[in-house]
Amino acid sequence: TQLLEQSPQFLSIQEGENLTVYCNSSSVFSSLQWYRQEPGEGPVLLVTVVTGGEVKKLKRLTFQFGDARKDSSLHITAAQPGDTGLYLCAGISGTYKYIFGTGTRLKVLA
Amino acid sequence: DVKVTQSSRYLVKRTGEKVFLECVQDMDHENMFWYRQDPGLGLRLIYFSYDVKMKEKGDIPEGYSVSREKKERFSLILESASTNQTSMYLCASSLLVSGANEQFFGPGTRLTVL
Repeated sequence: TQLLEQSPQFLSIQEGENLTVYCNSSSVFSSLQWYRQEPGEGPVLLVTVVTGGEVKKLKRLTFQFGDARKDSSLHITAAQPGDTGLYLCAGISGTYKYIFGTGTRLKVLA
Repeated sequence: DVKVTQSSRYLVKRTGEKVFLECVQDMDHENMFWYRQDPGLGLRLIYFSYDVKMKEKGDIPEGYSVSREKKERFSLILESASTNQTSMYLCASSLLVSGANEQFFGPGTRLTVL
C-alpha cells in the first residue's frame, strides 16, 4: 500500500511566523495536490504540481514538488489566523488513485 | 458554484443497523468517491464510481457497498453497522478519471455507531 507521511502532524504558531509542512513517500507520483480543510467542511484544492522540481506560489504559500516526484513541501510565509486548518497532500498515480497524506493540523494564534 | 451535498451532517446509529449515506453533485461529473477520514490516517478510499452503475473498490471496501443509479447521486451503504465504522465520511466528485483533476468534496457526515 502506498503511504504519504506528513510532518509535523500538529503545528501551533504565532501570527507572522513562517512554517514548512512536508509530505513524503517512497512511491513516485505523476502529480501531487495540496488541499486545506476547515472545521465542518470538506477539503478544498489549493494547488496541483505536476513536474519534478516544480515550484508554485499562491500568495504567501509556496509549494514544491520533489525532483524525483516522491515528496513535496508547503511553505507559508508570515502565517495568519486565516491559515488555520488541516492541510492534506494527495499523490496521484494511475487512473483514479489519489493517495492522501496523514494530514498536518495547523493553528495560527493571533 | 460547484456543489457536493451530503444528506446528513451527523448521524447516530446502533450496531447492526443498515445505514445509508447519500451524496449528490450538481456538476455533471462522471466520477464520484467515498472516503472515510480518521485522525492521523488521512482520507482512505472506500469505493469510487466512474459512471452510472459502475463501481470500483478502493482501499477499504470491507463492510461497505455503494449504489449509483443516477449520474448525480452516489450512495454508501453500511450493511450492518459496527462500532469500528464510527468515522467522518466524505463524498467527492471529479470531472475525469485520469490525471490530476480537482476533487470537490461535500461537507462530510460524522457517523457514530453505538
